[in-house]
Amino acid sequence: SQTIHQWPATLVQPVGSPLSLECTVEGTSNPNLYWYRQAAGRGLQLLFYSVGIGQISSEVPQNLSASRPQDRQFILSSKKLLLSDSGFYLCAWSAGQGSEQYFGPGTRLTVT
Amino acid sequence: GESVGLHLPTLSVQEGDNSIINCAYSNSASDYFIWYKQESGKGPQFIIDIRSNMDKRQGQRVTVLLNKTVKHLSLQIAATQPGDSAVYFCAENDDKIIFGKGTRLHILP
Repeated sequence: SQTIHQWPATLVQPVGSPLSLECTVEGTSNPNLYWYRQAAGRGLQLLFYSVGIGQISSEVPQNLSASRPQDRQFILSSKKLLLSDSGFYLCAWSAGQGSEQYFGPGTRLTVT
Repeated sequence: GESVGLHLPTLSVQEGDNSIINCAYSNSASDYFIWYKQESGKGPQFIIDIRSNMDKRQGQRVTVLLNKTVKHLSLQIAATQPGDSAVYFCAENDDKIIFGKGTRLHILP
């Protein structure tokens, strides 16, 4: 069966520090991968998605970037965090474009 | 902006009653719809889906209704239990999945 992992589970970082969140998927090949951000009490905002290694599509202009160095690894990064980057970051995978998405447990990021 | 929205941000239901959560979508070309449940501090979990060639689909204690004429989607939960307390998101597929803002379901004792 397929599983999706995210780490760390929680993170507190000062403004201006770098960020690296990791997501890995097991049990499937060539998945579509997604990064979402969810502010407190709000819906899901799609940040990035990837249909293959090295292929990243950005949905909104922002302070973050994403990379996919391996088929089942998706990384969310920032060089300098802003207060507004605080939130709950969710990684998801799907078998294809528009297919059901399966979510990871999320990373709660607090920028202080 | 998001093309999938929800009529109510919060819904309170007596334990044991049925819950109905509504969703409107704007893209008539969408052919696949999904309901997710998100408990506090966790990622969303798939509940049930429906394709546009259907108007009703049933799962365990849940039913999704699709009205393509008015572009409306609903999730019905039978005999609501305390464990149903969560935020429920509808999502539509038009090339990629677009999520609505969510409805928080409160269960009253």
